[in-house]
Amino acid sequence: KQEVTQIPAALSVPEGENLVLNCSFTDSAIYNLQWFRQDPGKGLTSLLLIQSSQREQTSGRLNASLDKSSGRSTLYIAASQPGDSATYLCAVLVTSGSRLTFGEGTQLTVNP
Amino acid sequence: DAGITQSPRHKVTETGTPVTLRCHQTENHRYMYWYRQDPGHGLRLIHYSYGVKDTDKGEVSDGYSVSRSKTEDFLLTLESATSSQTSVYFCAISEIRMGREQFFGPGTRLTVL
Repeated sequence: KQEVTQIPAALSVPEGENLVLNCSFTDSAIYNLQWFRQDPGKGLTSLLLIQSSQREQTSGRLNASLDKSSGRSTLYIAASQPGDSATYLCAVLVTSGSRLTFGEGTQLTVNP
Repeated sequence: DAGITQSPRHKVTETGTPVTLRCHQTENHRYMYWYRQDPGHGLRLIHYSYGVKDTDKGEVSDGYSVSRSKTEDFLLTLESATSSQTSVYFCAISEIRMGREQFFGPGTRLTVL
């Protein structure tokens, strides 16, 4: 059974800092990995999708990496802003299945 | 943003009553999903569909049924609502040609008294 863990559970940083969010998964037979953002009381917004054959994806100030062999992904946020404050969720789609398995998320607070 | 709407957005109901939640998409995606989100449990899959009239169970399907008679609509029914089904319900869609990236709707907050 696939399990996804995100560390840390919460993170508070000053504006402008570069930061890294971590995600680990137990089954390396994944189809893809997605990073989402969720604001309080809102739905999930897809940030980055990494296919199993890829090593990283970039979108603006966000960069996500994938190391299947070690079961790890990182989300790098450059020059953080208060508007980046949200919960960030990592989810994996296993090759043999159709459902995403989610981590519990990292709650990020960027202080002005 | 992907064209996904959910209705109703909020609902309060009583134990034992039937409830139907609707997910509507305008993207013509093949796959549709229903998840629930609860503190301490994260997001968990209830049911999913891989085509019209093709559905399968997820990890927390007990007490729920689904139907998909058209590509654009995926209905989730609680036959007899219980307090344990108080949750936020999210619909999602995906398509193989888009790498099966999942896009989520805005959610429905359901309270069962």
